[in-house]
Amino acid sequence: GEDVEQSLFLSVREGDSSVINCTYTDSSSTYLYWYKQEPGAGLQLLTYIFSNMDMKQDQRLTVLLNKKDKHLSLRIADTQTGDSAIYFCAEGEGSQGNLIFGKGTKLSVKP
Amino acid sequence: DGGITQSPKYLFRKEGQNVTLSCEQNLNHDAMYWYRQDPGQGLRLIYYSQIVNDFQKGDIAEGYSVSREKKESFPLTVTSAQKNPTAFYLCASSIAGISYEQYFGPGTRLTVT
Repeated sequence: GEDVEQSLFLSVREGDSSVINCTYTDSSSTYLYWYKQEPGAGLQLLTYIFSNMDMKQDQRLTVLLNKKDKHLSLRIADTQTGDSAIYFCAEGEGSQGNLIFGKGTKLSVKP
Repeated sequence: DGGITQSPKYLFRKEGQNVTLSCEQNLNHDAMYWYRQDPGQGLRLIYYSQIVNDFQKGDIAEGYSVSREKKESFPLTVTSAQKNPTAFYLCASSIAGISYEQYFGPGTRLTVT
């Protein structure tokens, strides 16, 4: 079945760039998503990318998609302490509109 | 303001009791979802509904039940048959279709002792 893999932890220093990686298995995914979850809260949609795109930039966020390798990454420029959270990668399952989520990457930003 | 509300934020129950978690949205979305989140497990889909009066089981539906009598409401009942009900429950909604982005509520943390 479909699967989405992410590393569980990432630690960076304030002001550095963070790169969170994700691999997925469903080659028919049309959309791929990045969500952010702060402690005790719901998920917030950060950005998404269509499968026919290689890159999408939105202010400090850059999403790169390598469809051949089924690899997705989220780069956060000038990482701030407020960026500390869990980041989830998700792929669209297809006809039902369901999303398959990775286990999440916990980003810790040290001052 | 449009959004999704879940209530209550924290819920405590004794083992053997059924409990219903509320989820309401005013985004005019057709599709609604329930997920369960455990530490280090990511999100697992419990039930989803693409349209009123219709719903489907997700990956971990055993011990749960839902109803979808109104477009804006999708309550989840955690029954006594659910073996490990203590978890963080998240409700989401989306425009029905192919992989439209889902919008999440703030979640309900259920503790069963």
